[in-house]
Amino acid sequence: NAGVTQTPKFRILKIGQSMTLQCTQDMNHNYMYWYRQDPGMGLKLIYYSVGAGITDKGEVPNGYNVSRSTTEDFPLRLELAAPSQTSVYFCASRPWDRGVSGNTIYFGEGSWLTVV
Amino acid sequence: AQTVTQSQPEMSVQEAETVTLSCTYDTSESDYYLFWYKQPPSRQMILVIRQEAYKQQNATENRFSVNFQKAAKSFSLKISDSQLGDAAMYFCAYRSANNDMRFGAGTRLTVKP
Repeated sequence: NAGVTQTPKFRILKIGQSMTLQCTQDMNHNYMYWYRQDPGMGLKLIYYSVGAGITDKGEVPNGYNVSRSTTEDFPLRLELAAPSQTSVYFCASRPWDRGVSGNTIYFGEGSWLTVV
Repeated sequence: AQTVTQSQPEMSVQEAETVTLSCTYDTSESDYYLFWYKQPPSRQMILVIRQEAYKQQNATENRFSVNFQKAAKSFSLKISDSQLGDAAMYFCAYRSANNDMRFGAGTRLTVKP
């Protein structure tokens, strides 16, 4: 049971480069999220999706883009990387369920990104 | 915009004692949900307790209870009879009706034997 898988785990980017953080879940979850966590800080929501073909901006969407062409995949694209995007990125998913299971959130292991 | 604030980066409690973790939030919405999650090293957020904003009664789950003050936008978690297994990062979270979900910065709880 893989859960939520993020790749790559570590990456160093140069200013102005672009890259995509991949996120895949094998639990058939409707809801998927991308967060960033800066050192000593909490999670900040970048984008989220309530299902295939639907995405919405979160708290800090500038400099990022997402797509949700399938239920399983929710890639995060960084365009023109800037030092301010140095952070740890977490992908998460949860099922649509009004019961307790719908409130359990599964996180990936994180992707450490440094922009220099 | 919705924000969640946890002002206690770290808390400590003696085993079998009671501890309260604080959380405040800001929103202009009337329909929302509040949660407390426990995060072990595995990164999975485990639901501790949930509160619907429209319910006036404070939620309770065994040793865990909340003090939900809607007007003050406060949502504190009380852990009674603390156990060693309660040690973890605790996150307060807000979920809007459109499923936008935000977390506080977290409180690391240490339980002393």
